[in-house]
Amino acid sequence: AQKVTQAQTEISVVEKEDVTLDCVYETRDTTYYLFWYKQPPSGELVFLIRRNSFDEQNEISGRYSWNFQKSTSSFNFTITASQVVDSAVYFCALSEALFTSGTYKYIFGTGTRLKVLA
Amino acid sequence: EPEVTQTPSHQVTQMGQEVILRCVPISNHLYFYWYRQILGQKVEFLVSFYNNEISEKSEIFDDQFSVERPDGSNFTLKIRSTKLEDSAMYFCASSSSYEQYFGPGTRLTVT
Repeated sequence: AQKVTQAQTEISVVEKEDVTLDCVYETRDTTYYLFWYKQPPSGELVFLIRRNSFDEQNEISGRYSWNFQKSTSSFNFTITASQVVDSAVYFCALSEALFTSGTYKYIFGTGTRLKVLA
Repeated sequence: EPEVTQTPSHQVTQMGQEVILRCVPISNHLYFYWYRQILGQKVEFLVSFYNNEISEKSEIFDDQFSVERPDGSNFTLKIRSTKLEDSAMYFCASSSSYEQYFGPGTRLTVT
């Protein structure tokens, strides 16, 4: 079965520290897509990044970077020089194709609550 | 940039009442979804909708739930007789392929 595991329930760091959020996934599909979302206290899901299974290049966007490794089925997310505004719950998600219908569904991890202390 | 919108942002209802949550998907999208997030938990798939019918539904989506696209623009989720455990954030999403675009959510509180 498809599954996303975020083993870190909550992480607290002091501002300016680097922090890595772990995501491990399981899938039978050879083509799949991975995502990271940020959920601030206001509750909306803020899209951060998408990755497809054929693209193992790591990506950097400002203070954010992502490390995708198919060999270990991991898609980890690092925030460099964390700021108080980074405090939120971060979700990793896997897009599963529903072949009987042609649609997709997202399977979310349980989320990691990040607290950045001033 | 086009976005998915949802109304209301917060709905309070009494147990046993019917509620309708509304979503306006991105206009050229063909696939529509509802997800649920109970407070403090993960986001869970409820149902997908394509070509005016349900494509897939989860075990959560029982007979108390229904979806509809009544006028070609709105996409609604109806809960017939709400229970306390229906209190959650409900997210609508739409897509034209694998990537879904989420609305801001409706927080449903059942008292």
